[in-house]
Amino acid sequence: DQQVKQNSPSLSVQEGRISILNCDYTNSMFDYFLWYKKYPAEGPTFLISISSIKDKNEDGRFTVFLNKSAKHLSLHIVPSQPGDSAVYFCAATGSTSYGKLTFGQGTILTVHP
Amino acid sequence: DSGVTQTPKHLITATGQRVTLRCSPRSGDLSVYWYQQSLDQGLQFLIQYYNGEERAKGNILERFSAQQFPDLHSELNLSSLELGDSALYFCASSVLGLTGELFFGEGSRLTVL
Repeated sequence: DQQVKQNSPSLSVQEGRISILNCDYTNSMFDYFLWYKKYPAEGPTFLISISSIKDKNEDGRFTVFLNKSAKHLSLHIVPSQPGDSAVYFCAATGSTSYGKLTFGQGTILTVHP
Repeated sequence: DSGVTQTPKHLITATGQRVTLRCSPRSGDLSVYWYQQSLDQGLQFLIQYYNGEERAKGNILERFSAQQFPDLHSELNLSSLELGDSALYFCASSVLGLTGELFFGEGSRLTVL
């Protein structure tokens, strides 16, 4: 049972354009959502998060949007840079155990110069 | 560098054997988490320890066990290894685990032949 899904295994974008990565979840108990970025041979690195009481959170070039009714969140990267090329994981957790993250399968983002 | 150290980085062993993976959390972090990433899979939560005590458990096999020592380092023991146990095993740490923002190590890649 995949409670967090990233339906696009990969995304290719031109440098300077917007990258939009999508994530869907099924568990209504999730109330905190995160995006992690992973380079090869490294562990995942926290990127940005959003609480279920908000519908948007912004940090520099990165913005996460949450649509609770649709159980959908997205990560926008504007403008995209070649250094953003990595695997992006969406993760979700609930108030009963915030460290127990449920991850999506990841989306490989490639930003072309 | 996340500050989380995992050893060994690579490990090759045979079916039926037992291995121990080691993790040193970031200085000051009391929570340690173990995640498994199999081929083409997202990260799967295994277990969490907080200040030496088990806090949360995921779909961890009975053949696997973990502990956190007084100096806060943690070990994940995998026994009666099967081919399907081949995976990347990540350790992560956080101060209290209140928000899901975890700091991951680089992982230990286990190959079972």
